[in-house]
Amino acid sequence: DAKTTQPPSMDCAEGRAANLPCNHSTISGNEYVYWYRQIHSQGPQYIIHGLKNNETNEMASLIITEDRKSSTLILPHATLRDTAVYYCIVRVGGQGGSEKLVFGKGTKLTVNP
Amino acid sequence: GAVVSQHPSRVICKSGTSVKIECRSLDFQATTMFWYRQFPKKSLMLMATSNEGSKATYEQGVEKDKFLINHASLTLSTLTVTSAHPEDSSFYICSAIAGGNGELFFGEGSRLTVL
Repeated sequence: DAKTTQPPSMDCAEGRAANLPCNHSTISGNEYVYWYRQIHSQGPQYIIHGLKNNETNEMASLIITEDRKSSTLILPHATLRDTAVYYCIVRVGGQGGSEKLVFGKGTKLTVNP
Repeated sequence: GAVVSQHPSRVICKSGTSVKIECRSLDFQATTMFWYRQFPKKSLMLMATSNEGSKATYEQGVEKDKFLINHASLTLSTLTVTSAHPEDSSFYICSAIAGGNGELFFGEGSRLTVL
């Protein structure tokens, strides 16, 4: 079973920040939080991942709470092309972890003009 | 970044035939690859874990004789849907783990339609 829960859908205005929450209350100490997104009929695209510190890259920022039981993916300036299903996943990774990845239902983000 | 390529991206076949889908890691060696299946408007469902040089590990409810997985090299895993039927029509996605840093990359997916 998936170890994360996300809202099924969210809307965001173009140009505004999109904040996508994820709950992972049973996360283990060695599990990372990964975010992927899937645009219709394509394979999932990696966005960002983190262990306990906040992370930022050219696509997004990841804010992880101090107790690591939840996190938020932030798309700072959403565009229409960011409309996709966003998946939050926990897994042992970063150092050669090879366990399977189980997807939850994700959040369908719709960016409106 | 690392690239995982699937082929074919789309395939249409007649009921009763077998279809092979390839998953290649283009610029890294992947000791572990995963195969997923996705129905319309649903999430990805893990079918099996493929390890190079050994038998695949199938998830509960997935027929190993129906979905044959071969991982003969560090850059190639194949999924063969045997004696395909219309209910096997789906979007099949593979992913591969890049050794060293454990990052996971996904293929573009293969859409199978069985008539």
